[in-house]
Amino acid sequence: ETGVTQTPRHLVMGMTNKKSLKCEQHLGHNAMYWYKQSAKKPLELMFVYNFKEQTENNSVPSRFSPECPNSSHLFLHLHTLQPEDSALYLCASSRASGTEQFFGPGTRLTVL
Amino acid sequence: GQNIDQPTEMTATEGAIVQINCTYQTSGFNGLFWYQQHAGEAPTFLSYNVLDGLEEKGRFSSFLSRSKGYSYLLLKELQMKDSASYLCAVRDHAPDAGNMLTFGGGTRLMVKP
Repeated sequence: ETGVTQTPRHLVMGMTNKKSLKCEQHLGHNAMYWYKQSAKKPLELMFVYNFKEQTENNSVPSRFSPECPNSSHLFLHLHTLQPEDSALYLCASSRASGTEQFFGPGTRLTVL
Repeated sequence: GQNIDQPTEMTATEGAIVQINCTYQTSGFNGLFWYQQHAGEAPTFLSYNVLDGLEEKGRFSSFLSRSKGYSYLLLKELQMKDSASYLCAVRDHAPDAGNMLTFGGGTRLMVKP
């Protein structure tokens, strides 16, 4: 398998649930990213990991908790989300100092 | 703060040429990117400009003027499959801590027969 993969592709959860999104890249990159894409809003950067270290937390609420156990895997742990958190969550990876980011297919999250 | 503006929607005819503009006001500048995103799919990289001028890649070209805070994406010989959203993004500092991009809202291009 090549590129950037994300699971699950679709997720429906209640506000009291705890779930995790998973991202895996097979490109040998050292930087990984979480983005949120809501309807009619720009793509928003949430978190950046560079060589497994978090280098950016873009004022994201604590109900979103990222984890990067190694350079190939990235998780986004979700708990007590709100309906306005419903969006497409995209993972991306790149070489640490590269130009191009490669995006995964995204997880479509619906919070009821 | 960061501000990136691009038109919300554009319509063009198959075979024609279309130019999608992007203006930006950012605290720093270390490159401008264009991505294509088809409905329901992930964004894919199209082009990168860091110096002033035109970068050509097949039917797609991207231009940058740093003094004007302005870029455009030029699509030639439009095809129906070019119907997609085109995202302009700016990297505002050196990528030593990762490529942190700020995206515009995207321009939805509809190509008609």
